[in-house]
Amino acid sequence: AQKITQTQPGMFVQEKEAVTLDCTYDTSDQSYGLFWYKQPSSGEMIFLIYQGSYDEQNATEGRYSLNFQKARKSANLVISASQLGDSAMYFCAMSYNAGNNRKLIWGLGTSLAVNP
Amino acid sequence: KAGVTQTPRYLIKTRGQQVTLSCSPISGHRSVSWYQQTPGQGLQFLFEYFSETQRNKGNFPGRFSGRQFSNSRSEMNVSTLELGDSALYLCASSLEGFPDTQYFGPGTRLTVL
Repeated sequence: AQKITQTQPGMFVQEKEAVTLDCTYDTSDQSYGLFWYKQPSSGEMIFLIYQGSYDEQNATEGRYSLNFQKARKSANLVISASQLGDSAMYFCAMSYNAGNNRKLIWGLGTSLAVNP
Repeated sequence: KAGVTQTPRYLIKTRGQQVTLSCSPISGHRSVSWYQQTPGQGLQFLFEYFSETQRNKGNFPGRFSGRQFSNSRSEMNVSTLELGDSALYLCASSLEGFPDTQYFGPGTRLTVL
């Protein structure tokens, strides 16, 4: 069965430091995609970064990078130079094929607090 | 470009009533997906509409329904509300279609009393 696990319910980081948010996944499919989204207290979910299962290089978007370790089935999000505005919930999600449909499952999220 | 908009932002209903939520996607996006978010269950996929057709569906009872109009705007309806339907309902639009990169609206916070 497909599964996404985020083992860190809450994390703290000092401003300007880097932080890694963990995400492990389970799938027997060869073709899948991994997403990270950010949800501030306002509620709106914001897309951060995407990694396809066949992408050999780790995805990067500005201060965000995805540490993709296929053999370990992990897709950790690294935020460099944390800012106060990075305080939010972070969700990892995985897309996969289910018959003729594509599905998307979500982790339960990690709450990140950036301290000044 | 304007982002995804959802109305209303907050709603209070009582058990047994029905409710309709609205979502306007980003201009040019033909795919609209709906999610229910609760603290206990996390984010749960309700359904996706693409060019006025329901293309994908999650595991929710038939009380949850939706539709999409020719201008890609979408509505979600919940009939016979239950206390457990209290949640944040998020709408997302996508250029390529679910589940590719989605752009979310601010959500509608529904409280059922």
